[in-house]
Amino acid sequence: DQQVKQNSPSLSVQEGRISILNCDYTNSMFDYFLWYKKYPAEGPTFLISISSIKDKNEDGRFTVFLNKSAKHLSLHIVPSQPGDSAVYFCAASGENGSGNTGKLIFGQGTTLQVKP
Amino acid sequence: DAGITQSPRHKVTETGTPVTLRCHQTENHRYMYWYRQDPGHGLRLIHYSYGVKDTDKGEVSDGYSVSRSKTEDFLLTLESATSSQTSVYFCAIRGQGGTYEQYFGPGTRLTVT
Repeated sequence: DQQVKQNSPSLSVQEGRISILNCDYTNSMFDYFLWYKKYPAEGPTFLISISSIKDKNEDGRFTVFLNKSAKHLSLHIVPSQPGDSAVYFCAASGENGSGNTGKLIFGQGTTLQVKP
Repeated sequence: DAGITQSPRHKVTETGTPVTLRCHQTENHRYMYWYRQDPGHGLRLIHYSYGVKDTDKGEVSDGYSVSRSKTEDFLLTLESATSSQTSVYFCAIRGQGGTYEQYFGPGTRLTVT
Protein backbone atom coordinates (compact mmCIF):
# COMPACT_ATOMS: atom_id res chain seq x y z
CA ASP A 1 0.00 0.00 0.00
CA GLN A 2 1.73 3.10 -1.32
CA GLN A 3 0.79 5.93 1.04
CA VAL A 4 2.76 8.54 -0.90
CA LYS A 5 2.64 8.46 -4.69
CA GLN A 6 4.41 10.33 -7.42
CA ASN A 7 2.58 9.23 -10.52
CA SER A 8 4.90 10.85 -13.07
CA PRO A 9 8.20 8.97 -13.33
CA SER A 10 9.73 11.71 -15.45
CA LEU A 11 9.30 15.32 -16.53
CA SER A 12 11.11 17.34 -19.17
CA VAL A 13 11.01 21.16 -19.31
CA GLN A 14 12.84 23.91 -21.09
CA GLU A 15 15.30 26.10 -19.23
CA GLY A 16 13.60 29.22 -17.86
CA ARG A 17 10.14 27.66 -17.79
CA ILE A 18 8.25 26.38 -14.78
CA SER A 19 8.65 22.80 -13.51
CA ILE A 20 5.72 21.35 -11.59
CA LEU A 21 6.20 18.10 -9.72
CA ASN A 22 3.21 16.43 -8.14
CA CYS A 23 2.67 14.14 -5.18
CA ASP A 24 -0.45 12.50 -3.73
CA TYR A 25 -0.93 10.89 -0.35
CA THR A 26 -3.60 8.73 1.22
CA ASN A 27 -2.99 8.94 4.97
CA SER A 28 -4.90 11.82 6.55
CA MET A 29 -2.63 11.59 9.64
CA PHE A 30 0.29 13.05 7.70
CA ASP A 31 0.96 16.55 8.97
CA TYR A 32 4.34 17.49 7.51
CA PHE A 33 5.60 17.18 3.96
CA LEU A 34 9.04 17.50 2.45
CA TRP A 35 10.75 17.56 -0.92
CA TYR A 36 14.19 16.15 -1.57
CA LYS A 37 16.46 16.39 -4.59
CA LYS A 38 18.85 13.61 -5.51
CA TYR A 39 21.76 13.61 -7.95
CA PRO A 40 23.26 10.30 -9.13
CA ALA A 41 25.69 8.69 -6.69
CA GLU A 42 24.81 11.16 -3.94
CA GLY A 43 22.47 11.12 -0.98
CA PRO A 44 19.15 12.96 -1.13
CA THR A 45 19.32 16.65 -0.25
CA PHE A 46 16.55 18.40 1.67
CA LEU A 47 14.90 21.08 -0.47
CA ILE A 48 11.79 22.52 1.14
CA SER A 49 9.02 21.50 3.52
CA ILE A 50 5.51 22.47 4.56
CA SER A 51 3.40 21.92 7.61
CA SER A 52 -0.24 20.89 7.24
CA ILE A 53 -1.32 24.15 8.87
CA LYS A 54 -0.09 26.01 5.78
CA ASP A 55 -1.04 25.79 2.13
CA LYS A 56 2.08 27.36 0.64
CA ASN A 57 5.74 27.71 1.46
CA GLU A 58 8.27 29.53 -0.68
CA ASP A 59 12.06 29.51 -0.72
CA GLY A 60 13.68 31.33 -3.60
CA ARG A 61 12.83 29.57 -6.86
CA PHE A 62 11.06 26.75 -5.03
CA THR A 63 7.46 26.82 -3.84
CA VAL A 64 5.50 23.97 -2.33
CA PHE A 65 1.71 23.98 -2.39
CA LEU A 66 -0.44 21.77 -0.17
CA ASN A 67 -4.09 20.94 -0.85
CA LYS A 68 -5.24 18.95 2.17
CA SER A 69 -8.74 18.29 0.90
CA ALA A 70 -7.33 16.68 -2.23
CA LYS A 71 -4.40 15.11 -0.33
CA HIS A 72 -2.10 16.58 -2.93
CA LEU A 73 1.08 18.60 -2.88
CA SER A 74 3.17 20.07 -5.65
CA LEU A 75 6.61 21.57 -6.03
CA HIS A 76 7.05 24.51 -8.40
CA ILE A 77 10.47 25.49 -9.66
CA VAL A 78 10.61 28.88 -11.38
CA PRO A 79 12.65 29.50 -13.43
CA SER A 80 13.99 26.02 -14.09
CA GLN A 81 17.73 25.67 -14.62
CA PRO A 82 19.79 22.82 -16.11
CA GLY A 83 21.34 22.26 -12.66
CA ASP A 84 17.87 21.37 -11.38
CA SER A 85 17.99 18.14 -13.39
CA ALA A 86 17.75 15.44 -10.74
CA VAL A 87 15.36 12.98 -9.14
CA TYR A 88 12.85 14.63 -6.82
CA PHE A 89 11.23 12.77 -3.95
CA CYS A 90 8.30 13.90 -1.89
CA ALA A 91 7.99 12.58 1.66
CA ALA A 92 5.43 12.73 4.42
CA SER A 93 5.47 12.38 8.15
CA GLY A 94 2.86 12.11 10.86
CA GLU A 95 2.25 10.05 13.92
CA ASN A 96 -0.89 8.35 15.02
CA GLY A 97 -0.37 8.78 18.74
CA SER A 98 2.78 6.70 18.99
CA GLY A 99 5.08 9.63 19.50
CA ASN A 100 7.09 11.88 17.25
CA THR A 101 9.65 9.49 15.79
CA GLY A 102 10.08 11.57 12.66
CA LYS A 103 9.69 8.60 10.33
CA LEU A 104 9.29 9.61 6.69
CA ILE A 105 7.33 7.87 3.95
CA PHE A 106 8.72 8.59 0.50
CA GLY A 107 7.18 8.64 -2.94
CA GLN A 108 8.80 6.77 -5.82
CA GLY A 109 10.47 9.85 -7.25
CA THR A 110 10.20 11.92 -10.43
CA THR A 111 13.18 12.46 -12.71
CA LEU A 112 13.30 16.06 -13.88
CA GLN A 113 15.27 16.99 -16.96
CA VAL A 114 15.76 20.69 -17.70
CA LYS A 115 16.90 21.26 -21.26
CA PRO A 116 19.14 24.24 -22.11
CA ASP B 1 26.63 19.19 5.55
CA ALA B 2 25.34 17.18 8.53
CA GLY B 3 28.64 15.40 9.10
CA ILE B 4 27.42 11.96 8.06
CA THR B 5 29.72 9.35 6.61
CA GLN B 6 28.94 5.83 5.47
CA SER B 7 31.30 2.92 5.05
CA PRO B 8 31.97 1.12 2.90
CA ARG B 9 30.78 3.15 -0.09
CA HIS B 10 30.69 0.08 -2.32
CA LYS B 11 30.57 -3.60 -1.50
CA VAL B 12 30.12 -6.81 -3.43
CA THR B 13 29.34 -9.90 -1.40
CA GLU B 14 28.08 -13.42 -1.93
CA THR B 15 24.68 -14.78 -1.02
CA GLY B 16 24.58 -16.13 2.51
CA THR B 17 27.38 -14.03 3.95
CA PRO B 18 26.84 -11.49 6.74
CA VAL B 19 27.39 -7.85 5.92
CA THR B 20 27.63 -4.81 8.19
CA LEU B 21 27.26 -1.23 7.00
CA ARG B 22 28.33 1.64 9.18
CA CYS B 23 26.89 5.13 9.58
CA HIS B 24 28.87 7.70 11.51
CA GLN B 25 27.76 11.19 12.53
CA THR B 26 29.72 13.90 14.29
CA GLU B 27 26.99 16.22 15.57
CA ASN B 28 25.38 14.28 18.42
CA HIS B 29 22.00 13.79 16.73
CA ARG B 30 19.58 11.63 18.66
CA TYR B 31 17.63 10.12 15.75
CA MET B 32 19.26 8.05 13.03
CA TYR B 33 17.65 6.09 10.18
CA TRP B 34 18.56 3.45 7.61
CA TYR B 35 16.81 3.44 4.22
CA ARG B 36 17.18 1.46 1.05
CA GLN B 37 16.56 2.90 -2.38
CA ASP B 38 15.32 0.74 -5.23
CA PRO B 39 13.92 1.67 -8.65
CA GLY B 40 10.17 2.23 -8.50
CA HIS B 41 10.10 2.29 -4.71
CA GLY B 42 11.75 5.52 -3.67
CA LEU B 43 13.35 5.27 -0.25
CA ARG B 44 12.01 2.78 2.26
CA LEU B 45 12.77 2.81 5.97
CA ILE B 46 14.54 -0.30 7.28
CA HIS B 47 15.20 0.55 10.93
CA TYR B 48 15.66 3.66 13.00
CA SER B 49 17.15 4.65 16.33
CA TYR B 50 15.96 7.23 18.84
CA GLY B 51 18.92 6.94 21.18
CA VAL B 52 21.76 4.70 22.31
CA LYS B 53 20.49 1.12 22.42
CA ASP B 54 16.99 2.34 21.39
CA THR B 55 15.95 1.05 17.98
CA ASP B 56 12.77 0.11 16.18
CA LYS B 57 11.66 -1.45 12.91
CA GLY B 58 10.68 0.35 9.75
CA GLU B 59 8.58 -0.87 6.84
CA VAL B 60 11.14 -3.29 5.31
CA SER B 61 13.03 -4.65 8.32
CA ASP B 62 12.97 -8.40 7.53
CA GLY B 63 16.50 -9.76 7.09
CA TYR B 64 18.11 -6.74 8.73
CA SER B 65 19.23 -5.90 12.24
CA VAL B 66 20.72 -2.74 13.71
CA SER B 67 22.77 -1.69 16.67
CA ARG B 68 23.62 1.60 18.27
CA SER B 69 26.10 1.30 21.12
CA LYS B 70 27.16 4.95 20.99
CA THR B 71 25.51 8.13 19.75
CA GLU B 72 27.73 8.61 16.71
CA ASP B 73 27.49 5.15 15.16
CA PHE B 74 24.49 3.28 13.75
CA LEU B 75 25.24 -0.13 12.26
CA LEU B 76 23.06 -2.04 9.79
CA THR B 77 23.66 -5.80 9.54
CA LEU B 78 22.40 -8.18 6.90
CA GLU B 79 22.50 -11.47 8.77
CA SER B 80 22.65 -13.61 5.62
CA ALA B 81 22.70 -11.54 2.47
CA THR B 82 20.30 -12.36 -0.35
CA SER B 83 20.13 -11.08 -3.92
CA SER B 84 16.95 -9.15 -3.04
CA GLN B 85 19.08 -7.03 -0.70
CA THR B 86 21.10 -5.67 -3.59
CA SER B 87 20.36 -1.98 -3.24
CA VAL B 88 21.69 1.43 -2.33
CA TYR B 89 21.57 2.05 1.41
CA PHE B 90 21.31 5.50 2.90
CA CYS B 91 21.75 6.59 6.46
CA ALA B 92 20.06 9.75 7.71
CA ILE B 93 19.94 11.88 10.81
CA ARG B 94 17.09 14.02 11.99
CA GLY B 95 17.63 17.72 12.42
CA GLN B 96 17.66 19.25 15.86
CA GLY B 97 14.77 20.91 17.66
CA GLY B 98 11.94 18.55 16.82
CA THR B 99 12.07 19.22 13.09
CA TYR B 100 11.04 16.52 10.64
CA GLU B 101 13.85 17.28 8.20
CA GLN B 102 16.31 14.47 7.72
CA TYR B 103 19.80 14.78 6.29
CA PHE B 104 21.34 11.94 4.37
CA GLY B 105 24.74 10.37 4.02
CA PRO B 106 26.33 9.63 0.62
CA GLY B 107 25.05 6.04 0.46
CA THR B 108 26.48 2.54 0.19
CA ARG B 109 25.98 0.54 -2.97
CA LEU B 110 25.67 -3.14 -2.05
CA THR B 111 25.65 -5.93 -4.61
CA VAL B 112 24.84 -9.48 -3.51
CA THR B 113 25.87 -12.08 -6.09
